[in-house]
Amino acid sequence: GAVVSQHPSWVICKSGTSVKIECRSLDFQATTMFWYRQFPKQSLMLMATSNEGSKATYEQGVEKDKFLINHASLTLSTLTVTSAHPEDSSFYICSAWDRTNYGYTFGSGTRLTVV
Amino acid sequence: SQQGEEDPQALSIQEGENATMNCSYKTSINNLQWYRQNSGRGLVHLILIRSNEREKHSGRLRVTLDTSKKSSSLLITASRAADTASYFCATDADQGGKLIFGQGTELSVKP
Repeated sequence: GAVVSQHPSWVICKSGTSVKIECRSLDFQATTMFWYRQFPKQSLMLMATSNEGSKATYEQGVEKDKFLINHASLTLSTLTVTSAHPEDSSFYICSAWDRTNYGYTFGSGTRLTVV
Repeated sequence: SQQGEEDPQALSIQEGENATMNCSYKTSINNLQWYRQNSGRGLVHLILIRSNEREKHSGRLRVTLDTSKKSSSLLITASRAADTASYFCATDADQGGKLIFGQGTELSVKP
């Protein structure tokens, strides 16, 4: 079945630094990728939707300059958390729409801890 | 923004019992899906029910959908300790559009 590979699975970084999270669709073309954030004991909150070759659409309240999303190819989307702060510590998950199989495939998530 | 509400927020049962979780949503949907998440892990897709379907089964799972009430339920029969996880419903208004998740139900199945 469709697989989305997400890396890294966990990362610890210092305040003020930037962290890049990658999601790759391994056996299908992901024209649309969704990025979610999940705080402990909470649900997944949609941060943004990215379409290959165009600018991402951010949900209300999500800072586009802080969470940079790049979807330069049909198999790769990246989320960069810039100038990270401890409050950015969270679980980030990507999801890709597989239009061949008409389904959503999720990455395994990235646990970000900012110290 | 969150689309759905789920209840209960937490459910604790004994192995062998049935577990029922409910989900309500606010806007029109294309389909509704249920996912499972073990603590700190990714999501596992369980079942999808289309807006024109009323009930669907998959193994020990039974999902119902009532579009007039904008609600869905997930029933897990003969629960096992391994079913312990968080369960989320998610809806999309358009095929391939953004999935909006409910608040989730934390299920604990005690052996």
